[in-house]
Amino acid sequence: AQKVTQTQTSISVVEKTTVTMDCVYETRDSSYFLFWYKQTASGEIVFLIRQDSYKKENATVGHYSLNFQKPKSSIGLIITATQIEDSAVYFCAMRGNSNNRIFFGDGTQLVVKP
Amino acid sequence: ETAVFQTPNYHVTQVGNEVSFNCKQTLGHDTMYWYKQDSKKLLKIMFSYNNKQLIVNETVPRRFSPQSSDKAHLNLRIKSVEPEDSAVYLCASSPPGPNSDYTFGSGTRLLVI
Repeated sequence: AQKVTQTQTSISVVEKTTVTMDCVYETRDSSYFLFWYKQTASGEIVFLIRQDSYKKENATVGHYSLNFQKPKSSIGLIITATQIEDSAVYFCAMRGNSNNRIFFGDGTQLVVKP
Repeated sequence: ETAVFQTPNYHVTQVGNEVSFNCKQTLGHDTMYWYKQDSKKLLKIMFSYNNKQLIVNETVPRRFSPQSSDKAHLNLRIKSVEPEDSAVYLCASSPPGPNSDYTFGSGTRLLVI
């Protein structure tokens, strides 16, 4: 069975600092894809970044990067130089090669304070 | 503009009424989804269609029924709504392939009174 777990319910940081959001996953697929999404206060959900399981190099997009630790089934999201507008709910998600949908974690609320 | 469009944005109705939500995507994607997001922000898959074919049908009450006229449209009908149906209903679409991410619509917020 596929499962995505985000243990941090809420994180609060001061702007311009770096924050890491944790995520662990379970899958029996040998090949799978890991995603992070952001949901803003308006309710809009946008895709941020993806890690392919067969790639050793951590994905990076702008000030988002991933810490992929395959032996630990872990995919952390790192946001550097946080800004107020990074305040949102962040969802970790996974899709295995055998799946016909993406499985989402419960989300982590990030609050960035001035 | 290419995106996923949902109507209405917000709907208030009474227990027992029937409601319908519309979703259209102009991205040329083959697969569309309906998710329910509750007050705790949890995202739960309800249905998925691939090119008008139902491919995911999670355990949802029978009063929920999806309708797809073509691969660009996926509507959701709820017969005889109940208070626990109050939630945000999110439509999404994706191209083929397990590495494809979703594009979400802005959601339809349903309040059942």
